[in-house]
Amino acid sequence: EAGVTQFPSHSVIEKGQTVTLRCDPISGHDNLYWYRRVMGKEIKFLLHFVKESKQDESGMPNNRFLAERTGGTYSTLKVQPAELEDSGVYFCASSPLTGGYTFGSGTRLTVV
Amino acid sequence: AQSVTQLDSQVPVFEEAPVELRCNYSSSVSVYLFWYVQYPNQGLQLLLKYLSGSTLVKGINGFEAEFNKSQTSFHLRKPSVHISDTAEYFCAVSEILRKTGKLIFGQGTTLQVKP
Repeated sequence: EAGVTQFPSHSVIEKGQTVTLRCDPISGHDNLYWYRRVMGKEIKFLLHFVKESKQDESGMPNNRFLAERTGGTYSTLKVQPAELEDSGVYFCASSPLTGGYTFGSGTRLTVV
Repeated sequence: AQSVTQLDSQVPVFEEAPVELRCNYSSSVSVYLFWYVQYPNQGLQLLLKYLSGSTLVKGINGFEAEFNKSQTSFHLRKPSVHISDTAEYFCAVSEILRKTGKLIFGQGTTLQVKP
């Protein structure tokens, strides 16, 4: 079984640019989560999809972040425009409705 | 609201020695408890979880943890560590009745196993 796949693994962009992170969950997993770890801090919840619907987006930092999940399959997280404080590692995880997370390896985003 | 505190940011230990990674949590509601491990360049992997029942939980790779409700702790232990246990370890909680399954993480503890 393929795991949770995230693209790209690393991204370096300039302040003010746009970046799109992608997450491919395990096939059949209806739950999809985004988390972020800023340097030196704890991993924080961003949002949760059930299929294509946003179940909880209480952790989204501001309106520069836009998450979508097309047809209940893969998900994208767009940051526009990126700021220096957006740097960190963005993790995606998926789970079936019965629970049990599988995390991806993360995307390391550096904004310079 | 919940919060998780991992009391040590780094724990150096010699190979074959025992280790304990400490985790305390705060919550006004009942929670599930988890320990995850992250090896370099990999995603987080579940080590073990406490949902209910016996307070001593055994996980993968010889790790175990004990849930102590009165002290709101969930410390992770291993009686004899290997070099391959070098990684970052995360304690996390999830509110039992919350539909979203959202995890609240601690700051992480880096376990450095020396030969």
